Amino acid sequence: DAKTTQPPSMDCAEGRAANLPCNHSTISGNEYVYWYRQIHSQGPQYIIHGLKNNETNEMASLIITEDRKSSTLILPHATLRDTAVYYCIVKTQTGANNLFFGTGTRLTVIP
Amino acid sequence: GAVVSQHPSRVICKSGTSVKIECRSLDFQATTMFWYRQFPKQSLMLMATSNEGSKATYEQGVEKDKFLINHASLTLSTLTVTSAHPEDSSFYICSPGTSGYNEQFFGPGTRLTVL
Repeated sequence: DAKTTQPPSMDCAEGRAANLPCNHSTISGNEYVYWYRQIHSQGPQYIIHGLKNNETNEMASLIITEDRKSSTLILPHATLRDTAVYYCIVKTQTGANNLFFGTGTRLTVIP
Repeated sequence: GAVVSQHPSRVICKSGTSVKIECRSLDFQATTMFWYRQFPKQSLMLMATSNEGSKATYEQGVEKDKFLINHASLTLSTLTVTSAHPEDSSFYICSPGTSGYNEQFFGPGTRLTVL
């Protein structure tokens, strides 16, 4: 699976949009971009994933560049409960595969 | 999404004792279970992969005789930390293999503290 690069930490004001970038310049054609987050002392939680089109669900939006070498996770209105470590993971979409977690981005939402 | 439980949520034990952690997939059958551990301020690292009815596969550097994994049924996998030492203190997280789903689901984790 391709490697990803994320900033180690970011701050965001409560109520504002949080934009978390991820670089995955070695992504291959059949690899998806997945985002998970881990709130302190909890198991990781799936957020969203995409192949090449932008995606949106009730939690977030995922913007993938046309060359697919980078993406941005957008939390439109960050709340204090969104404070967590966010992991960008690139992998093929096959079942029963373990995930490789990099260092992620620690997002702190500030009141 | 799938519901995964772990028990206990936290455990404190003395050095040299053994601790068993249970992971249950509550609403689907998991033929595969991934076990991760996470040291403080670090990311999750895969320890081992278990398959129902067969021996687990361990990642490099993980002692199979120390971390015993049993996956006797499609809804239950257990991780036993034998002769635990303070360096085994960590956050242990299970994740069932989810063929048929796009995402992975994770248990809430078990925090082990070895004194």
